[in-house]
Amino acid sequence: EAGVTQFPSHSVIEKGQTVTLRCDPISGHDNLYWYRRVMGKEIKFLLHFVKESKQDESGMPNNRFLAERTGGTYSTLKVQPAELEDSGVYFCASSSGQPNTEAFFGQGTRLTVV
Amino acid sequence: KNEVEQSPQNLTAQEGEFITINCSYSVGISALHWLQQHPGGGIVSLFMLSSGKKKHGRLIATINIQEKHSSLHITASHPRDSAVYICAVRSWYGNKLVFGAGTILRVKS
Repeated sequence: EAGVTQFPSHSVIEKGQTVTLRCDPISGHDNLYWYRRVMGKEIKFLLHFVKESKQDESGMPNNRFLAERTGGTYSTLKVQPAELEDSGVYFCASSSGQPNTEAFFGQGTRLTVV
Repeated sequence: KNEVEQSPQNLTAQEGEFITINCSYSVGISALHWLQQHPGGGIVSLFMLSSGKKKHGRLIATINIQEKHSSLHITASHPRDSAVYICAVRSWYGNKLVFGAGTILRVKS
């Protein structure tokens, strides 16, 4: 069974450009999470989908970030326009719909804004 | 102050040594996770705990709910254990994980 996959693994873009990150969760997992680690800091929560609905988006830094999960399958996280402080590693995780189940993480997307 | 604090931040050990990484948290939780990330690699879940103790191979994780504290132990450490070990908690009021800063472990041969 495929794990959580993220695309791309690395992205280098210029300030002001747009970048879209993609996450394919484990098939059948209703819960999908986006997290981010900025250099030198702990990993922080961005948002949580249950199927196609945003359950909690309290961690989204500002309106330059837009997350979608159309059809409740894969999710995209778009940053537009990107700023230098958006650089970091973006992780996606998924878990089943049962409470308190293990979360499975993707490899992460390393985003560098120059 | 972060809701999840780990210690130490950095740890260097000699192969074969017994290693302990500590995690303290300040919120009520439904579960605590220990995660591992090798250099250049993704995050792998080692344990999910809500009480007591779990063991998997050379790894042991314990949690004391009353003291809001968990430990991850590695017995007979090996250079391949070198990685970042991260403690994360799931609070009672939400599904998201709150992460500690991680412990960078280096095991020398």
